[in-house]
Amino acid sequence: QITLKESGPPLVKPTQTLTLTCTFSGFSLSTSGLGVGWIRQPPGKALEWLALIYWDDDKRYSPSLKTRLTITKDTSKNQVVLTMTNMDPVDTATYFCAHRRLCSSGDCAMFDPWGQGTLVTVSS
Amino acid sequence: QPVLTQPPSASASLGASVTLTCTLSSGYSNYKVDWYQQRPGKGPRFVMRVGTGGIVGSKGDGIPDRFSVLGSGLNRYLTIKNIQEEDESDYHCGADHGSGSNFVGVFGGGTKLTVL
Repeated sequence: QITLKESGPPLVKPTQTLTLTCTFSGFSLSTSGLGVGWIRQPPGKALEWLALIYWDDDKRYSPSLKTRLTITKDTSKNQVVLTMTNMDPVDTATYFCAHRRLCSSGDCAMFDPWGQGTLVTVSS
Repeated sequence: QPVLTQPPSASASLGASVTLTCTLSSGYSNYKVDWYQQRPGKGPRFVMRVGTGGIVGSKGDGIPDRFSVLGSGLNRYLTIKNIQEEDESDYHCGADHGSGSNFVGVFGGGTKLTVL
């Protein structure tokens, strides 16, 4: 069974850097074809994809946020870390991490399963 | 990249059926779309993937047979039959733009389903 859990500070100040950790079990990020993504959801608003890292350390970022994001993995700890610089109140959101599997047939879900999310509030 | 459009709300009576719609922007009629269910305070749960030929791959774990999908043109539909109280959720559609490891993820605005 695959599970993922997000952790990080519930409150950050404007201009600070946010560091979030996704700790997972049930798979290894050393396995070919697997990845972990980050998605966020401001209160009452839509989901927004942020970043994605694959088993081979290939990384993808949202074009609108790529200058502020860095995603890394620690395979030995089964963790993926997302950092976001220069935080602003508009970045207040619940941040989710999720499992991704590449399928040559295109039959696989974009993300499945997801973690429960962690709420981050940006305020002075 | 595609834009996915969803109506903000829908409602249906207990035991009735409802169809939710996700519309792709022009030029993306061949795209597959994922449906996700999000109960209050929870992370999204994969329901199933849909293309113009209907379901693609398998349903998500534990998704009842009451859930089905269809695709036509730019529209991707999720139908829920015999609606139960537990179906009251936000439903999001999403698509991955780009093939293989070349990825950009996009989501619709979500539809809040109220069970009357």
